[in-house]
Amino acid sequence: DGGITQSPKYLFRKEGQNVTLSCEQNLNHDAMYWYRQDPGQGLRLIYYSQIVNDFQKGDIAEGYSVSREKKESFPLTVTSAQKNPTAFYLCASSILAGRNTEAFFGQGTRLTVV
Amino acid sequence: QQQVKQSPQSLIVQKGGISIINCAYENTAFDYFPWYQQFPGKGPALLIAIRPDVSEKKEGRFTISFNKSAKQFSLHIMDSQPGDSATYFCAASGTSYDKVIFGPGTSLSVIP
Repeated sequence: DGGITQSPKYLFRKEGQNVTLSCEQNLNHDAMYWYRQDPGQGLRLIYYSQIVNDFQKGDIAEGYSVSREKKESFPLTVTSAQKNPTAFYLCASSILAGRNTEAFFGQGTRLTVV
Repeated sequence: QQQVKQSPQSLIVQKGGISIINCAYENTAFDYFPWYQQFPGKGPALLIAIRPDVSEKKEGRFTISFNKSAKQFSLHIMDSQPGDSATYFCAASGTSYDKVIFGPGTSLSVIP
């Protein structure tokens, strides 16, 4: 089955720790995205990547970092610099970066700071 | 100019009624408009999409109406069911853009 796999589904972090959220896709899509969703809120773009070894900041990149070493993988690191990291994180991919294509989403990772 | 506006923020409809969600955009360079449905705790899933050369697209109980001159498009859910209760996002993309632009979402509750 083709799709986007996010792991883990739930993640707990102590304050001051970095954590990495995994996102893997087997759809052979070029573009990948990370979004943050807070309760009752919309989707806010953190980072996106159009091609391997290249990525751009989205609207709320501060306190986050990404890498794109392989086409199928786009991990997101939530650093200790992110002051309010508790949220639902969604990874998505598309055939081309935004151009007349839809994005396909993973099932999300819920991160809680304890 | 890259914004997509969406209304209402929340909507309550009785079972069997029609749910209508409206979106508007400014930039005429957008040329692809997908709608997504998200259930609590899940990722959004593509519901239906339309291009501006078409004024209406229907898939089952879901219909998108598109008004190119007004730069508006809307989602109609006919015979709304409690299982349709979810958050709906409209979106826009285009050949000159490197990402999909999402509206802020509408929380739909269909009550029995």
